[in-house]
Amino acid sequence: AQSVTQLGSHVSVSEGALVLLRCNYSSSVPPYLFWYVQYPNQGLQLLLKYTSAATLVKGINGFEAEFKKSETSFHLTKPSAHMSDAAEYFCAVDGGSYIPTFGRGTSLIVHP
Amino acid sequence: NAGVTQTPKFRVLKTGQSMTLLCAQDMNHEYMYWYRQDPGMGLRLIHYSVGEGTTAKGEVPDGYNVSRLKKQNFLLGLESAAPSQTSVYFCASRGNPTYEQYFGPGTRLTVT
Repeated sequence: AQSVTQLGSHVSVSEGALVLLRCNYSSSVPPYLFWYVQYPNQGLQLLLKYTSAATLVKGINGFEAEFKKSETSFHLTKPSAHMSDAAEYFCAVDGGSYIPTFGRGTSLIVHP
Repeated sequence: NAGVTQTPKFRVLKTGQSMTLLCAQDMNHEYMYWYRQDPGMGLRLIHYSVGEGTTAKGEVPDGYNVSRLKKQNFLLGLESAAPSQTSVYFCASRGNPTYEQYFGPGTRLTVT
């Protein structure tokens, strides 16, 4: 069985501030983990993925995430938020079944 | 290379009407998925397919049927639409051995 919990349905930051979006997972086998971003009225696109290589994963648009097995976490960070980062972010886990489980999403709001 | 496309982009149905949503991918991917996205619920899997001619139920299959007659196409059917099926529908595909999914732009369906 696998599951994902995203803490906080909304996160609000000021432009230039650190972005931290939290994701905790549960998986009975070593998982593949993903962060996707969804801009308004668009489909989801991959930000980054963890597939058992380096635990610190760098993605597009300056985002990165660290896989911490002991904490079963895969939090997404960006050092400095930009207005264009405002979007919905989804964490997903795949325990090898090819059927990923998605979190409920976190809406990132960026204030000028 | 168009990726994943969905037809139509918008549709309004009356209760009891039927319709088919078409998903097409040009990446020769084996796996295809249909999701619905509702506010606060994240993405919920309706049906999926692991190859041409095969389909399987996901988390919320009731009221929907699917077919995968050709590898590149995955059709989602609503035989008798209900207001509870008002949602945004996303199709996705995934290759092997890649792990991430590629999403279409979505179909916004309203059932009145």
